[in-house]
Amino acid sequence: DQQVKQNSPSLSVQEGRISILNCDYTNSMFDYFLWYKKYPAEGPTFLISISSIKDKNEDGRFTVFLNKSAKHLSLHIVPSQPGDSAVYFCAASKQTGANNLFFGTGTRLTVIP
Amino acid sequence: DTAVSQTPKYLVTQMGNDKSIKCEQNLGHDTMYWYKQDSKKFLKIMFSYNNKELIINETVPNRFSPKSPDKAHLNLHINSLELGDSAVYFCASSHQGPGDGYTFGSGTRLTVV
Repeated sequence: DQQVKQNSPSLSVQEGRISILNCDYTNSMFDYFLWYKKYPAEGPTFLISISSIKDKNEDGRFTVFLNKSAKHLSLHIVPSQPGDSAVYFCAASKQTGANNLFFGTGTRLTVIP
Repeated sequence: DTAVSQTPKYLVTQMGNDKSIKCEQNLGHDTMYWYKQDSKKFLKIMFSYNNKELIINETVPNRFSPKSPDKAHLNLHINSLELGDSAVYFCASSHQGPGDGYTFGSGTRLTVV
């Protein structure tokens, strides 16, 4: 049972434009959400996170939005750069109890120069 | 200095063999994890372990066993390898809880032939 879903396996965006990556979750107990970026032959690296008490968190070109009622979060990258081309994983966890992260299946972003 | 290192990076072995993957972290983190990324690119938790508690995902066959000689190491032993064990295995570490995000190793691609 996949509790975190990324329904778009791939996304292509022109350099300079906005990239929007989407993620949905089913477990209402999740209260902490993270985005990871993965290059080929490397492990995922932490990008940005958001707690359920917020609806937006911004870090430079990266902004994560959380809509708890819809159980949906999104990652906005603006402006997109060719170096952003990677696989992006959404992840979720519960702050209390087991500290495991539940990952989505990833979205491959390609930024076209 | 590599924060989370896994060895080997690639492992090709025959069905029925027993193999180990090593993981070391130099971040002083309290908790270490093993994740499996299958052919569908789904990252799934196998184990989480700190010096107090081992949490096993109940879907993991008992042919898989984590061994932690000390706080900085969590090795993965696999007995009687099967074709379906072919995947990329990622080690990760974190402080207590996911709030800081995980730091992943670069992965071990296991191919069972």
